[in-house]
Amino acid sequence: AQTVTQSQPEMSVQEAETVTLSCTYDTSESNYYLFWYKQPPSRQMILVIRQEAYKQQNATENRFSVNFQKAAKSFSLKISDSQLGDTAMYFCAFFNAGGTSYGKLTFGQGTILTVHP
Amino acid sequence: EPEVTQTPSHQVTQMGQEVILRCVPISNHLYFYWYRQILGQKVEFLVSFYNNEISEKSEIFDDQFSVERPDGSNFTLKIRSTKLEDSAMYFCASSEIGGPPSHEQYFGPGTRLTVT
Repeated sequence: AQTVTQSQPEMSVQEAETVTLSCTYDTSESNYYLFWYKQPPSRQMILVIRQEAYKQQNATENRFSVNFQKAAKSFSLKISDSQLGDTAMYFCAFFNAGGTSYGKLTFGQGTILTVHP
Repeated sequence: EPEVTQTPSHQVTQMGQEVILRCVPISNHLYFYWYRQILGQKVEFLVSFYNNEISEKSEIFDDQFSVERPDGSNFTLKIRSTKLEDSAMYFCASSEIGGPPSHEQYFGPGTRLTVT
């Protein structure tokens, strides 16, 4: 079974600054995907960024980028130029592409990010 | 942009009562999922559904739970006899096929279930 751990229950950052959210995971699988989801106060789950484990290049989506360290099983999210609208709970999630899981996502505990003006 | 919808947004029920949570997945999607999130905790997988049958279910998804696709558009989660610990936000999700990268799961806004 896979586990996903987010060790930072809460983080805060000033508007326009950069913040990094941590995520580690444990798996024996080699073919998997990692995701960061954002959950604002409305509680809607929104996909922020994805990373395929077979790709060495770190994924980037505008102000969001990841630092994927496969050997260390680490998958951190960097948010640059933080905006007030980035205030949300952020979840790291794992998908085992090599098994028989039909789309099952395993989530971490979440990190509450607050962006201050 | 197509989206997953869920009704109701908030359901209050008494312990022991049956509830049905409804979801309308994105129309061309083939895989459907239910997740739940107890307040302040992480999102947990409940069940995945494909081709009118359950593909995978978690330990949480016991005999009190059932899912159904009664017609071509709705996807429902039924809890037969609710318990206090069933109080949570329930999210429906759908995807074109069962995994990424291009087949990401689109989540609905959730139904908050409160069992009193």
